[in-house]
Amino acid sequence: AQTVTQSQPEMSVQEAETVTLSCTYDTSENNYYLFWYKQPPSRQMILVIRQEAYKQQNATENRFSVNFQKAAKSFSLKISDSQLGDTAMYFCAFMQNSGGSNYKLTFGKGTLLTVNP
Amino acid sequence: SQTIHQWPATLVQPVGSPLSLECTVEGTSNPNLYWYRQAAGRGLQLLFYSVGIGQISSEVPQNLSASRPQDRQFILSSKKLLLSDSGFYLCAWSPIRSGGLDTQYFGPGTRLTVL
Repeated sequence: AQTVTQSQPEMSVQEAETVTLSCTYDTSENNYYLFWYKQPPSRQMILVIRQEAYKQQNATENRFSVNFQKAAKSFSLKISDSQLGDTAMYFCAFMQNSGGSNYKLTFGKGTLLTVNP
Repeated sequence: SQTIHQWPATLVQPVGSPLSLECTVEGTSNPNLYWYRQAAGRGLQLLFYSVGIGQISSEVPQNLSASRPQDRQFILSSKKLLLSDSGFYLCAWSPIRSGGLDTQYFGPGTRLTVL
């Protein structure tokens, strides 16, 4: 079974500084996607960034970037210039074909990030 | 642009009562649809997914069921709620593309409390 591990239950960072959230995953497949989702206090799950496994270049979205190490099965999220609005639970997620038409998202347990003023 | 709606936003129900949660998607056709549950302090667990009208697959055996009566409507139901059904329910959609891998986009969720 595919697993996603986020080893940091909680983290904190000062406003304007940089923080990195860790994620590792386990799969024997070669074709898959990786995601970081953000869940603020409203609890809506918001996509932060997506990485396709076949792409060697790390994905970036404004202040958010990833360090994708395919051989090590590692997928970390770096948040630059942290803002108070970045305070949220961050989930790492993994998607591959689970059979037929099912493309299942498997989530880690999350990292609660607090940005302090 | 595409939007996804869920209602109700909050629901408090007694044990043994029925349940119906609704999810609708606008701005796209023939999406894949998903129901997830998030227990307190945990990640998301996939409950059901659907690739078309009337096509439902269950990931976890339980007293919940799902239906897709229309292309962009997905309903989560129960005949008799259990205390363990309490949680935060999220609906998600993804486009059907060649290869199948794609982003899932989530609705605002329904907080269900069973007393």
